[in-house]
Amino acid sequence: DAGVTQSPTHLIKTRGQQVTLRCSPKSGHDTVSWYQQALGQGPQFIFQYYEEEERQRGNFPDRFSGHQFPNYSSELNVNALLLGDSALYLCASSLGGPRETQYFGPGTRLLVL
Amino acid sequence: DAKTTQPPSMDCAEGRAANLPCNHSTISGNEYVYWYRQIHSQGPQYIIHGLKNNETNEMASLIITEDRKSSTLILPHATLRDTAVYYCIVRPDNKLVFGAGTILRVKS
Repeated sequence: DAGVTQSPTHLIKTRGQQVTLRCSPKSGHDTVSWYQQALGQGPQFIFQYYEEEERQRGNFPDRFSGHQFPNYSSELNVNALLLGDSALYLCASSLGGPRETQYFGPGTRLLVL
Repeated sequence: DAKTTQPPSMDCAEGRAANLPCNHSTISGNEYVYWYRQIHSQGPQYIIHGLKNNETNEMASLIITEDRKSSTLILPHATLRDTAVYYCIVRPDNKLVFGAGTILRVKS
């Protein structure tokens, strides 16, 4: 049973660039949530997608956007990268709707120089 | 969002039970208590969750007080691989709100 997978595992970008991170949910799961984890801190909720719509959003600027595809996979896009966007980006999936238990992937580590 | 309070760190001897406390005095009636752990640089791992009753699974037990203002996660026989940051989360809606967690160090 495949777990949550994320790509790429590591990424280096420069300030002002744009980045796209990808997430494939656990087999059968239909909901995807994205979190940002800065070094030494707990994960912070960015947004959640269910039925290809953004269901809830955390306190992140519009530079952070996302998408969910019909096969339930998801992308996180960040525009105009800042040094402070350097973090571990985590994807979590759940089955049966936004309130169900979330299972996390290994994350994508983004470094902005 | 309901706030949780956890000790910053705890030590436990290998083979002994690890009891991790969490205070959540402002929890609302329909909010679940979730526990996750995170081993260095990996994604958080789901452990267990509950609403009112005590819960047990293959990983741990969750004891919630009758007034629901606090809970305890119990790892019955801690191993070195249980060394991690443990997060107690009161879930208000779709999202998980992570605090600082408890660093559990299991020592041989």
